[in-house]
This record gives sequence, C-alpha cells and structure tokens, in this order.
Amino acid sequence: AQTVTQSQPEMSVQEAETVTLSCTYDTSESDYYLFWYKQPPSRQMILVIRQEAYKQQNATENRFSVNFQKAAKSFSLKISDSQLGDAAMYFCASQPASGSRLTFGEGTQLTVNP
Amino acid sequence: KAGVTQTPRYLIKTRGQQVTLSCSPISGHRSVSWYQQTPGQGLQFLFEYFSETQRNKGNFPGRFSGRQFSNSRSEMNVSTLELGDSALYLCASSLANKASDEQYFGPGTRLTVT
Repeated sequence: AQTVTQSQPEMSVQEAETVTLSCTYDTSESDYYLFWYKQPPSRQMILVIRQEAYKQQNATENRFSVNFQKAAKSFSLKISDSQLGDAAMYFCASQPASGSRLTFGEGTQLTVNP
Repeated sequence: KAGVTQTPRYLIKTRGQQVTLSCSPISGHRSVSWYQQTPGQGLQFLFEYFSETQRNKGNFPGRFSGRQFSNSRSEMNVSTLELGDSALYLCASSLANKASDEQYFGPGTRLTVT
C-alpha cells in the first residue's frame, strides 16, 4: 500500500522568487516512482517532474527540481524564478514500478503574486 | 499527436440514473486508468485497463465498472447514481502499464448528480 501526504494546503510566492512544496510518502514497494503533477484551473493534469526511486540523483526540469530523501521518505518540489503561470494546484504522487496506479497527496494550492 | 480526449465534458444526471463516460487514449497507448476527483476525497484510483483486461481496481463499490475496447478506447459506467458520485472523472493513458511510461491525462468529465 502507498500513502502520500502534503501538509501544506496553500502556499504563496512572489513572482521571480523560489518556493518549496513539501511531500512525504510511505510505500511497501521496493521499487517505485514519485511525481509532481500540476493542475491549473482548466483541470488538465500535467506532469511537472518525475523521480525514479532507485536513482540517487535529484531530478531537474528547467526551473523545477526535487529534493528526494529516500530514507526520510520525503520528496519536495522547488520552483525557482516563479512565474504567474505556475499558479495551480500541485499534487505529489507515487506509483509502484510494477504498475500504473498513482496514489496522490491532498494537493497544495500555489498562488504566485505579481 | 492528439491528446487524451474525454466525452462528454460535462454531465448532469439525477439520483438513481446510470451514466457512461468515454475516454480515447493517445494513439498507440494501450493502458487507460480512471480517477475520481472530489473536494473531500481528493484523487482516487478507480481502475486500470490494459489490452482490454482490467489489471487493477481501486476501492469503489460495484456500481462503478469499466471496459476497454480493442482500439484501447475505454468507458466507465456508474449505475444507480448517488449524490456523492458528483466529481471530476479523469482518465489517463500510457503506452503500457509500467511506471516508466508517462501517463497523460485527459481534460476530465465533470459529473453532477442532483
């Protein structure tokens, strides 16, 4: 079984600043993936970044990077140089390597202030 | 390449009725998963189909069912609708049913039960 917890229901950041969204997880799987998805007001779920648990190197995608602490079961998302278009609900999710079932956290609503 | 499409986008039904939602995956994708999103329960996995076979099922009552056709299009059916079934239903497609394959989400079907 997998559980994902996001303890920050809401976060805000000034445009061009950096913000970090927190996520902790628990899983009985030996191999798994972790994700951050973005859901803007259109409700279209968009993959932001993905981390393979067996890789120690933290994933990076342009202004988005993660801090993956496997022992602590922590997977935070850092958004650098925040832009107005980054405003959305962000979901942390886990998935066993053997399947495609995603388990999502509660979400963090990110507001970007101009 | 066309994205995941879901029809209809919006639906209003009455308690006790049944409803069928459709999901057309990206061309070449053989795995389709369904998720229910509500303000109270968040995003919850319903089921996953791969090559016309249900591979995984979430913790939902038997009123929720689905199927997948030979062209990978999938439908989900909810019978005897309840008010609590009001939700955004999202489907996601991927090449196969492995976590290494990125899942692409559709825009969702907003179901309102009155």
